Amino acid sequence: DAGVTQSPTHLIKTRGQQVTLRCSPKSGHDTVSWYQQALGQGPQFIFQYYEEEERQRGNFPDRFSGHQFPNYSSELNVNALLLGDSALYLCASKVQMNTEAFFGQGTRLTVV
Amino acid sequence: GQQLNQSPQSMFIQEGEDVSMNCTSSSIFNTWLWYKQDPGEGPVLLIALYKAGELTSNGRLTAQFGITRKDSFLNISASIPSDVGIYFCAGHSPYNTDKLIFGTGTRLQVFP
Repeated sequence: DAGVTQSPTHLIKTRGQQVTLRCSPKSGHDTVSWYQQALGQGPQFIFQYYEEEERQRGNFPDRFSGHQFPNYSSELNVNALLLGDSALYLCASKVQMNTEAFFGQGTRLTVV
Repeated sequence: GQQLNQSPQSMFIQEGEDVSMNCTSSSIFNTWLWYKQDPGEGPVLLIALYKAGELTSNGRLTAQFGITRKDSFLNISASIPSDVGIYFCAGHSPYNTDKLIFGTGTRLQVFP
């Protein structure tokens, strides 16, 4: 049973560019959340997707957007990248009615 | 963004010793989760707690949901080198069960 998988694992982008990160949830999970983890910090909630809709959003600008597909996989898009967007981006999946969230290995984004 | 307070910030212990760390919040939580994160990896769920006073074990790990619902504790008995990593607490407030709020992390080093 595959766990949560994310791609790519590493990415280097230039300021002003746009990036798309991808996540496949754990089998049987229908809810996907995205988190940003800066170096030395705990993960910060970006948003959650369920039934292909954004259900909840953290304190992140509109440059951060997402999508969930009918197979429950998800994408995180970040436009107009800033140096401060450099971080580990984590995807977590769960069953909607449960509280236990399982994380992928993350995508390390570096903006130069 | 909001984070829970974890202490200690870091610990350096000898193999075989027991470890205790805690997590506090200024507001009540409905659930507490403890995760371990290795460098460059995503957090791995260790223990989930669902009600005040609950004490749950997972092998050498034991965690408790504080009676006040504003804190949680994690104990590791007889530490081994593979316990090295960063331990995060996380929880859901009663007012927002979609968003996991993370602690600041406790970095554990185990020396043989």
